[in-house]
Amino acid sequence: GENVEQHPSTLSVQEGDSAVIKCTYSDSASNYFPWYKQELGKRPQLIIDIRSNVGEKKDQRIAVTLNKTAKHFSLHITETQPEDSAVYFCAAPQPGYSTLTFGKGTMLLVSP
Amino acid sequence: NAGVTQTPKFQVLKTGQSMTLQCAQDMNHEYMSWYRQDPGMGLRLIHYSVGAGITDQGEVPNGYNVSRSTTEDFPLRLLSAAPSQTSVYFCASSKNRGLGTGELFFGEGSRLTVL
Repeated sequence: GENVEQHPSTLSVQEGDSAVIKCTYSDSASNYFPWYKQELGKRPQLIIDIRSNVGEKKDQRIAVTLNKTAKHFSLHITETQPEDSAVYFCAAPQPGYSTLTFGKGTMLLVSP
Repeated sequence: NAGVTQTPKFQVLKTGQSMTLQCAQDMNHEYMSWYRQDPGMGLRLIHYSVGAGITDQGEVPNGYNVSRSTTEDFPLRLLSAAPSQTSVYFCASSKNRGLGTGELFFGEGSRLTVL
């Protein structure tokens, strides 16, 4: 089945800096890669996703890049703000696309 | 739309007790799932369902049962609670054909403590 590795496990940045979180996956047939944000005590929510027919997708200050050859995808947050502080999870589908496998998460702390 | 609703939000059990976590969605989603979240372990899939009457095991199914008698409801049963089942449980649903093809909508979570 799919194996998803996420790094780093924690990331501290100053407000205004950029943050990058990287995930690797094992199944070369996977073609859907979402990112979820979970604020403290809240539910995970989808913030951006990418499908394998594109290499990059942007939504305001966040972007996701995909390298299918190397089997990794990354979340980029520019001009970070304190409200970006949260745990971020990447995910990839299991073979057959019946389920998602999540990475272990990255705790992002943005200091004012 | 209420989205995905879970009850209870908090529960304390003693070892060996049984209980059911309720999950209901009003979005007419075919696909529903249960995840548990433990510190440093991410979200791990317990059981999932691709439609009424159809369920399957995820990564960590032991000690849990599910059923899907209606499209709306997907309860998770703990048969004999153990301290290792202390966790935060999330129910999630998806309208897409397969939970691995589109957005998951999560409930607010249920925090379970087993003493």
